[in-house]
Amino acid sequence: GESVGLHLPTLSVQEGDNSIINCAYSNSASDYFIWYKQESGKGPQFIIDIRSNMDKRQGQRVTVLLNKTVKHLSLQIAATQPGDSAVYFCAENMGGGGNKLTFGTGTQLKVEL
Amino acid sequence: DTEVTQTPKHLVMGMTNKKSLKCEQHMGHRAMYWYKQKAKKPPELMFVYSYEKLSINESVPSRFSPECPNSSLLNLHLHALQPEDSALYLCASSQDRNTDTQYFGPGTRLTVL
Repeated sequence: GESVGLHLPTLSVQEGDNSIINCAYSNSASDYFIWYKQESGKGPQFIIDIRSNMDKRQGQRVTVLLNKTVKHLSLQIAATQPGDSAVYFCAENMGGGGNKLTFGTGTQLKVEL
Repeated sequence: DTEVTQTPKHLVMGMTNKKSLKCEQHMGHRAMYWYKQKAKKPPELMFVYSYEKLSINESVPSRFSPECPNSSLLNLHLHALQPEDSALYLCASSQDRNTDTQYFGPGTRLTVL
C-alpha cells in the first residue's frame, strides 16, 4: 500500500504487505530528516533518520528514501504487522541552528488482519 | 536508555489556576524542548533550552513560562490558560542543540475548563 501523506492521511494495508508512507518537505536547505511513529496516547517514537548527503538508509524492517530533487521523503515498512498501526510523522531540520524540527501533517497507518 | 519522563500524565485545570508540568531525562542530554500537539495535528515547537538556558521561544504567550532548574529537569508553568490551550504537551531532549535526534516523552494531556 502507498500514501501521498499530505493528500491521503490514512493508509490501510493488509498484514504482511509492505507499506510506503510518503512525505513532501518544504525547505531545500533542510539537511536532516526523521521519521517518528506515534501510537494513540503516546509520544512520538524515533524510527529512523537520514542526512541530506544520503539517499537511502535501512533499519530493521524499515527503509527511508530521500529524493532531494523533488523534496520527497518516504518510509517503507516491510511485512507490516498489527503493531505498526500508528500515525507516522516525517520531520525536517531546517538548519540555522537550534535543532528546530518541523513536522509533516502525518499519515495514519491501519493494518488489517 | 532513551527515556524521557513526564508528569502528570493528565491534568485538568480551570482558567484561574496555576499548575506546572514536569519533564525529566537522565541521558546526559543538554538540550530540552517543549512541544504542543493538538488532536490529529503534528507537534509544534514552543521552547528550546540549551545548557539550561532558553535559546528559542516560538512566540509563545506569556501564560506559558518554561524553567530549566538543572540539566535533567524541564518545567512548564501554566497560569491563566484558555480552553484553546487544551492539548498534549510533549517534552523532548537531544544530546545538545546541534545534535538532531530528539527523543520524546509520553506527554501530559492538559484540559483547560
